[in-house]
Amino acid sequence: QVQLQESGPGLVKASETLSLTCTVSGGPISGDYWSWIRQPAGKGLEWIGRVYKSGTTNYNPSLKSRVTMSIDTSKSQISLNLSSMTAADTAVYYCASDLGYWGQGILVTVSS
Amino acid sequence: QTVVTQEPSLTVSPGGTVTLTCASSTGAVTSDYYANWFQQKPGQAPRALIYSTSNKHSWTPARFSGSLLGGKAALTLSGVQPEDEAEYYCLLYYGGVWVFGGGTKLTVL
Repeated sequence: QVQLQESGPGLVKASETLSLTCTVSGGPISGDYWSWIRQPAGKGLEWIGRVYKSGTTNYNPSLKSRVTMSIDTSKSQISLNLSSMTAADTAVYYCASDLGYWGQGILVTVSS
Repeated sequence: QTVVTQEPSLTVSPGGTVTLTCASSTGAVTSDYYANWFQQKPGQAPRALIYSTSNKHSWTPARFSGSLLGGKAALTLSGVQPEDEAEYYCLLYYGGVWVFGGGTKLTVL
C-alpha cells in the first residue's frame, strides 16, 4: 500500500521560505507526476503545482513567482518551497500522486 | 482568471440518487479537461474517487460514477449511503494547470 507523508515545520515566520518534503513509502515512487495542494481552515482546496518524474514542473499562476518543486526519485521524495510567506499562506498542505494517493497533510501556520 | 463552479450544497435522501456538477468559466467541459473528483470528510484528507472524467480508482465504490452532462463534468451517486455525506471537489485541467472547484457539501438526510 503506497503511503505519502508530508514533513516540515509547522510554524513559519512571515517573509520566510517554507520547505516541505513528501516521502513515498510502501513501494517504488511510481506515477508520472506529483502535486502539492493546500487548504486554509474551513475553505476549499487550492492546487499549488506539480512536478513530473522527469523534473518538469507546472505551477499555479497565482503562486508561480514564489513556488519551487523538485523530485528525488532515489529518495522517493518530492519537495515544495514557497517563499515570502504571509498569513494568507496558513493552511494544511497536502502532497498527492496522479495515481490517487494523498498524504494526510501538514498544518503550516505563518506567524508575524 | 479561470473559475470552476460547483453547487455549494445539495441534499439527498438515503438510497436516493444525486448528481453533482462542475462547470468551467471558459465554456463547455470536455474530456480534454480530464475531470477528477474527490471526497473529503471533516478532519480528513481528500480521497480521490474519479479521474479522467469517468475512470474509477480501485477503491471507489461502484455507486459513484463520473460523466459529462450538459457541458459540465458530473459526479453521480446512486443508492446514496449515510457515509457519503461529505464535501466533494472537482478538479479540471487547463493545459498544464489544474483548478479546483469550490466544493459541494452533500448532506444525506
